[in-house]
Amino acid sequence: NAGVMQNPRHLVRRRGQEARLRCSPMKGHSHVYWYRQLPEEGLKFMVYLQKENIIDESGMPKERFSAEFPKEGPSILRIQQVVRGDSAAYFCASSSRTGRDSPLHFGNGTRLTVT
Amino acid sequence: KNEVEQSPQNLTAQEGEFITINCSYSVGISALHWLQQHPGGGIVSLFMLSSGKKKHGRLIATINIQEKHSSLHITASHPRDSAVYICAVPQGGSEKLVFGKGTKLTVNP
Repeated sequence: NAGVMQNPRHLVRRRGQEARLRCSPMKGHSHVYWYRQLPEEGLKFMVYLQKENIIDESGMPKERFSAEFPKEGPSILRIQQVVRGDSAAYFCASSSRTGRDSPLHFGNGTRLTVT
Repeated sequence: KNEVEQSPQNLTAQEGEFITINCSYSVGISALHWLQQHPGGGIVSLFMLSSGKKKHGRLIATINIQEKHSSLHITASHPRDSAVYICAVPQGGSEKLVFGKGTKLTVNP
């Protein structure tokens, strides 16, 4: 029973390029959360999705960032025109029901470096 | 808005010592999460609790809802327990988790 799978583990992009981060939740989980951890800072909520729906994106920057969780396939966090300040670790977590009442299962994260 | 405070920020212990990490939050919650982040960066969920006490192996988590306080205890600590321990609570009635800054634990042999 595979856990939450994130790829790539490490991603290097030049300023202005696009970054696409993928997250496959645990089997049977339909709730996906994305978090960002800036260097030397704590984790911050970005977005909460259920299959085909964005439920809460209040933690996501208004521009350049988008997320989706299609009916088939992994959840994608997309960052357009990356800047140095986007360098961070991005974690995905999944749960079988709402996170308030359900343990979260985390992926190993994607470490994005913008040069 | 829920604020989460953890203490201590850093903790160094000798192998075998009993460890306590504290977490306080400002707004009533339905459940509190304790997470462990290893030096490699991966995050593991240790506990989710809404009342009382939970135990898993050498780890014990307690919560006092009235005092808005939780503690994570590690008995007979071991160098492999070295990690950052993070407390998290929901923001209001939403799905957003608010995280503490973490407690960096180093257990020396």
